[in-house]
Amino acid sequence: AQSVTQLDSHVSVSEGTPVLLRCNYSSSYSPSLFWYVQHPNKGLQLLLKYTSAATLVKGINGFEAEFKKSETSFHLTKPSAHMSDAAEYFCVVSDRGYSTLTFGKGTMLLVSP
Amino acid sequence: EAGVAQSPRYKIIEKRQSVAFWCNPISGHATLYWYQQILGQGPKLLIQFQNNGVVDDSQLPKDRFSAERLKGVDSTLKIQPAKLEDSAVYLCASRKGEGANTEAFFGQGTRLTVV
Repeated sequence: AQSVTQLDSHVSVSEGTPVLLRCNYSSSYSPSLFWYVQHPNKGLQLLLKYTSAATLVKGINGFEAEFKKSETSFHLTKPSAHMSDAAEYFCVVSDRGYSTLTFGKGTMLLVSP
Repeated sequence: EAGVAQSPRYKIIEKRQSVAFWCNPISGHATLYWYQQILGQGPKLLIQFQNNGVVDDSQLPKDRFSAERLKGVDSTLKIQPAKLEDSAVYLCASRKGEGANTEAFFGQGTRLTVV
């Protein structure tokens, strides 16, 4: 069985400071991992994905994530937050079986001026 | 490339009524998902189709929810009768192929309010 734990329900940062959203996963297989972003009243948009190639993955809008198998983590980072980054972020795991996508509970990122 | 289309965008019904949602996935995408997202929570899988076969419906409340995927393309999700706790956003997503490496594309969702 696969599962995802997002360690923070809310993260608050100031504009221009670094962002860290934490995600731990559990999977019976070598997983694929994704980060999706959901802006208010908008659909889910893919930020980045890990699929067993490079462990450091770069995504859109300056986000990146590092896959650490030993720690079963896939934390999302950005060097400098922008007001437009305020949204809810979901970590998602997909194993190599039936490709079911399992979501974490989400982390709401708040960015203050 | 056209995205995943869902309709309606919003629906308000009274409890015990029935409702249906429609999803048109991206052309050529074999995998289709229906998720339920309750306010403040992450999406929960209701059902996953591979072409027109069901891969996973373990979390679908089968006494009131049903879903079908006609000819491996469009899909409908039905609730009958609806309960207050069914108020949520229902998301449809599609994915190319069977592998776990590809990303899923999501529709805008249908926001259901049961009063």
